[in-house]
Amino acid sequence: EILLTQSPATLSVSAGERATLSCRASQSLSHSLAWYQQKPGQAPRLLIYDASTRATGVPVRFSGSGSGTEFTLTISSLQSEDFAVYFCQQYKIWPPNTFGQGTKLQIK
Amino acid sequence: QVQLVQSGPEVKKPGASVKISCKTSGYTFSNFYIHWVRQAPGRGLEWLGAITPKGATTTYAQTLQGRLTITTDTSTSTVYMDLSSLTSDDTAVYYCARESAPFDFWGQGTLVIVSS
Repeated sequence: EILLTQSPATLSVSAGERATLSCRASQSLSHSLAWYQQKPGQAPRLLIYDASTRATGVPVRFSGSGSGTEFTLTISSLQSEDFAVYFCQQYKIWPPNTFGQGTKLQIK
Repeated sequence: QVQLVQSGPEVKKPGASVKISCKTSGYTFSNFYIHWVRQAPGRGLEWLGAITPKGATTTYAQTLQGRLTITTDTSTSTVYMDLSSLTSDDTAVYYCARESAPFDFWGQGTLVIVSS
């Protein structure tokens, strides 16, 4: 089973600033990594797939990078609606599909 | 537009079973896997299993083998998840999700509470 480790667990950033979230895999994923945003009481929303491709309708301030075992989600200028929990997911080798434990992005 | 609409919340006693539905629309049902994922209160996402609507082939998480059954009704484009021998550890929100490498559309979630 591929393990995903996200860091930090909680990130405090001011609106308008940049946020950088990390996801590390226990083995190489090539580019088979996705990022999701989840707000309280809502289902996860796909933001990024194939490590760096924005899903339909996702603002350009969200960008993904990385390959192999190290991945990053960057939000270039935080808006109020961006404060949420972010999960990474690998789909290179399944079962099982695995998720990181999440990073909570909160207002500083 | 693509929609996945799940059945309503459930309260079950330990040892019981629960069956949740996920009715899909807005796309060709037979072209996409459907997965089930759950989230315990305040916790992360746990993948449970998947089904190929076309061939009705299923894959389950090892931790749930023997307790989880996923089925489809192609006539109504609906996927079902049946979880048996419930314990308090199964209390969670259960989601269905369509796979398009990775999960592009999700149901709204179904809360299952297991309590005596």
